[in-house]
Amino acid sequence: QVRLVESGGGLVKSGGSLRLSCAASGLTFSDYYMSWIRQAPGKGLECVSYISSSGSTTYYADSVKGRFTISRDNAKNSLYLHMNSLRVEDTAVYYCARLKSPPAFDNWGQGTLVTVSS
Amino acid sequence: QSALTQPASVSGSPGQSITISCTGTSSDVGGYNYVSWYQQHPDKAPKLIIYDVSNRPSGVSNRFSGSKSGNTASLTISGLQAEDEADYYCSSYTSTSTPYVFGTGTKVTVL
Repeated sequence: QVRLVESGGGLVKSGGSLRLSCAASGLTFSDYYMSWIRQAPGKGLECVSYISSSGSTTYYADSVKGRFTISRDNAKNSLYLHMNSLRVEDTAVYYCARLKSPPAFDNWGQGTLVTVSS
Repeated sequence: QSALTQPASVSGSPGQSITISCTGTSSDVGGYNYVSWYQQHPDKAPKLIIYDVSNRPSGVSNRFSGSKSGNTASLTISGLQAEDEADYYCSSYTSTSTPYVFGTGTKVTVL
């Protein structure tokens, strides 16, 4: 079955950087769009970024545009999220999720917590 | 692009049916049959339970069903069970600069 495992979260000060990783197994990774979805404590879900199967197309929510960069390594079955200029409001659990077509987020990792302190 | 509107909470007794609404606009829910629903238990990752308005992924109980009318989608849980107590989120593809939007979330309580 599909397994997505995130890592790289932690505590960082405002203005700092982190790189999240998502290791995928049980799927032909290079066939699928992949996404990062975050959930602030006690709040709802927000798709912050996604990337096409080849990596040629990316999307960023306005809230992270210019600060976050999504990338993937299909040879390593891995998805990444480089987060720069982190803000307190970026504090959230970040989930890696497969974006199938027709569109739905059909497989999710367990999430990794990013905490940004002031 | 604003979040889709869901009721904050819905409750029901075991065995009853409940319905959660998800209201958007003609740019999202009303414009596409790409509404999905997610179940999230406390401290767990969301799980897809309905996609394309009314389709269930393999392994999801047939007690969950989805529908849509105009700009409002609905999730119905029939034969409510204690394990259904969770948060539920809808999502839709949109024609705006935000391709995917989620709902505000609904907490389901089994009385």
